[in-house]
Amino acid sequence: KQEVTQIPAALSVPEGENLVLNCSFTDSAIYNLQWFRQDPGKGLTSLLLIQSSQREQTSGRLNASLDKSSGRSTLYIAASQPGDSATYLCAVRDDYKLSFGAGTTVTVRA
Amino acid sequence: DVKVTQSSRYLVKRTGEKVFLECVQDMDHENMFWYRQDPGLGLRLIYFSYDVKMKEKGDIPEGYSVSREKKERFSLILESASTNQTSMYLCASSFPRGSSYEQYFGPGTRLTVT
Repeated sequence: KQEVTQIPAALSVPEGENLVLNCSFTDSAIYNLQWFRQDPGKGLTSLLLIQSSQREQTSGRLNASLDKSSGRSTLYIAASQPGDSATYLCAVRDDYKLSFGAGTTVTVRA
Repeated sequence: DVKVTQSSRYLVKRTGEKVFLECVQDMDHENMFWYRQDPGLGLRLIYFSYDVKMKEKGDIPEGYSVSREKKERFSLILESASTNQTSMYLCASSFPRGSSYEQYFGPGTRLTVT
């Protein structure tokens, strides 16, 4: 059974600092990995999707890397802003199913 | 833009009631999913559907059923609601197997069973 772990569980940084969020998974036979953002009481917004054959994906200030063989992904958010405060979830897909980590809750202090 | 909508943002029901949660997507996606999200337990898959009238159990199907009569609509049914089904319910949709398999989520329904 796929297990997905996100470390740290919570993170508080001053505005402008770069954020590094980690995700690890136990079974490397994945199709892809997806990073989501969730605001309190809301649904999930997809941020980045990395296919299993890719090493990284970028969108604006966001960059996600994938090392499938070691079962790791990292989400980098450059020059953080208070609006980046949210919970970030990673999920790995095998066949139909997504397996989620518990998330990292980020607070960016103004 | 992909849009996944859910019929209610907040719902309060009594123990024993039959509850319907509706989800509609407008992108002609084959796959649709129902998850529940609980503090400390994360997101868990209840059921998914890969085609009209087709369904598969997820990790926690007990106490739930689903219906997919039309491609764009996927319903989650709580046959007899119980307090342990108080949770945030999230619907998602996607295209089927293939390289670009991204799941899109709805805004969620916060269900309270009293």
